[in-house]
Amino acid sequence: NAGVTQTPKFRILKIGQSMTLQCTQDMNHNYMYWYRQDPGMGLKLIYYSVGAGITDKGEVPNGYNVSRSTTEDFPLRLELAAPSQTSVYFCASTSRGRTVQGSPLHFGNGTRLTVT
Amino acid sequence: QKEVEQDPGPLSVPEGAIVSLNCTYSNSAFQYFMWYRQYSRKGPELLMYTYSSGNKEDGRFTAQVDKSSKYISLFIRDSQPSDSATYLCAMSDNSGYSTLTFGKGTMLLVSP
Repeated sequence: NAGVTQTPKFRILKIGQSMTLQCTQDMNHNYMYWYRQDPGMGLKLIYYSVGAGITDKGEVPNGYNVSRSTTEDFPLRLELAAPSQTSVYFCASTSRGRTVQGSPLHFGNGTRLTVT
Repeated sequence: QKEVEQDPGPLSVPEGAIVSLNCTYSNSAFQYFMWYRQYSRKGPELLMYTYSSGNKEDGRFTAQVDKSSKYISLFIRDSQPSDSATYLCAMSDNSGYSTLTFGKGTMLLVSP
């Protein structure tokens, strides 16, 4: 069982370039999330989705876009990359959005992005 | 004042020591408290989950929540080198599709 798969693992972008970070999960989870993790700064929520066709902004959405056309896939698009977007990006999914059920977030292993 | 405060460490202990990791928070609406463990170059994985105040034990791990003090703790007994990782606290309230607020993480190093 693959869980949450993120590609690529590493990427170097030049300022102004664009790219799409891919995320797919095979657990039939409705809820999916994109976080960024900067050194010493914890995880910040970029965007999330509660199902196919439904997305919403998190804490730090500027400079990013998402789409959710299928249950399995939740790609994150970076337009006009900036050095401030250098980070490790994590995709996560869960079966329920309400943590009252104790549903854990299942994380991928991240994409390490450097913008120079 | 940040919503969730967590000492980044690193915290270095010898094998077999009892480890105490802590977070404080300011949002009194938080009701669900979690600890995630993150190994180097991996995604976080859920370690412990607690609802409201009280203790929860799972093997060598004990999670405590004191809502009156807005303080949560994770204790690790008989620590092992394999416990070396970053520990992130996370919490959420009960409103709608609530999302998690994470602490910055504490790096733990257990030496043999």
